Amino acid sequence: QIALKESGPTLVRPTQSLTLTCTFSGFSPTTRGVAVNWIRQPPGKALEWLALVYWDDHKRYSPSLESRLSLTRDTSKNQVVLTMTNMDPVDTATYYCVYSPGSSSGTGWLGPWGQGILVTISS
Amino acid sequence: DIVMTQSPDSLNVSLGGRATVNCKSSRSLLNSSNNKNYLAWYQQKPGQPPKVLIYWASARDSGVPDRFSGSGSGTDFTLTISSLQAEDAAVYYCHQYYSTPYTFGQGTKLEIK
Repeated sequence: QIALKESGPTLVRPTQSLTLTCTFSGFSPTTRGVAVNWIRQPPGKALEWLALVYWDDHKRYSPSLESRLSLTRDTSKNQVVLTMTNMDPVDTATYYCVYSPGSSSGTGWLGPWGQGILVTISS
Repeated sequence: DIVMTQSPDSLNVSLGGRATVNCKSSRSLLNSSNNKNYLAWYQQKPGQPPKVLIYWASARDSGVPDRFSGSGSGTDFTLTISSLQAEDAAVYYCHQYYSTPYTFGQGTKLEIK
């Protein structure tokens, strides 16, 4: 059974960096086609895709946030770490870690999702 | 970026009725090499993460009731929920995984009356 869980600080000061850890189980991140994504959702607003790391360790980032985002994967710990720099109150959101399955048709849809972690940016 | 536009933003449908949510993408999500549309639908209830209902535009995820169905191809897609139940009240999102950056529709809030 695939499971993902986000961990990290729930309160960050403006201009500081945010580091979130996704710890997962039930799948191998190196299986062809598989990806681990980060997605966020400001309170009451829509979903926004941030980044993903593919099975082959290639990464993709949202162009609007690329200069502030960094992903690392530790296959020995079954973890993916998201770092986001220069945090601002508009970055207040629930951050989700999400699995994408692989298939003969490439990397697929989003699911399952972690429960999410609400991160508030405030002084 | 591929822009995903849902309609309507909200709808209020009677218990036992049918709800239709539309999603339009700014470019085709059909991969001609495998004839698959890289489009998924999600349901999100308050305080919960989204849950995938439909992928490849029309494939129902495991455990999803057959009251939920997806259709469409290319740039126009529809999620239909028939025989509406009270527990179907939620926000529904379409999502394209054809290319990064992945993008979502703005969401459609479904209320049951």
